[in-house]
Amino acid sequence: DAMVIQNPRYQVTQFGKPVTLSCSQTLNHNVMYWYQQKSSQAPKLLFHYYDKDFNNEADTPDNFQSRRPNTSFCFLDIRSPGLGDAAMYLCATSSETSVPTNEQFFGPGTRLTVL
Amino acid sequence: DAKTTQPNSMESNEEEPVHLPCNHSTISGTDYIHWYRQLPSQGPEYVIHGLTSNVNNRMASLAIAEDRKSSTLILHRATLRDAAVYYCILRDPGTASKLTFGTGTRLQVTL
Repeated sequence: DAMVIQNPRYQVTQFGKPVTLSCSQTLNHNVMYWYQQKSSQAPKLLFHYYDKDFNNEADTPDNFQSRRPNTSFCFLDIRSPGLGDAAMYLCATSSETSVPTNEQFFGPGTRLTVL
Repeated sequence: DAKTTQPNSMESNEEEPVHLPCNHSTISGTDYIHWYRQLPSQGPEYVIHGLTSNVNNRMASLAIAEDRKSSTLILHRATLRDAAVYYCILRDPGTASKLTFGTGTRLQVTL
């Protein structure tokens, strides 16, 4: 089945130690998104890629970076994780950004713990 | 972005219909109304969307008020597997890449 895969499902890192979260997709979608979801809150968009074009949300901290080496893979890099960055990180894909009817397909998320 | 307002939580009995309301009084003429749900420990999943007319699919129905200032997601027969947080989201064609999630409604389904 076509899907969005996130690895690992659970990630533990230390305060200030860089960490990378991975997302891959078999849907061949040209758009990939990263959302942050803190405990008991709604998901919040960090940034998205339309093909290789990177689009950052205005309030996304500089501590968060992303890479998309090819259509299938996208990475979220947190350069110096703080305690406040502990959250579920959700990857999603869609086939176009400009179509307001297109649905987004989400992965199961990676839960990040910062010690 | 236009905002949505949903009740924090609702309860339903299994096999009963559930009507989940959403108010969006500042909706613009081009905003689409989307519903997503998030099951426990999973990523959100698409449920349904509409613009002006009522919509049906295999998961649910969406009833949109004539003035479009409110909508209702209808689950015709709730099951335990429908227990989730349901998000009502407005998608502006100008920023169609974004899903701006509100607080959502946590639906509990009991036997």
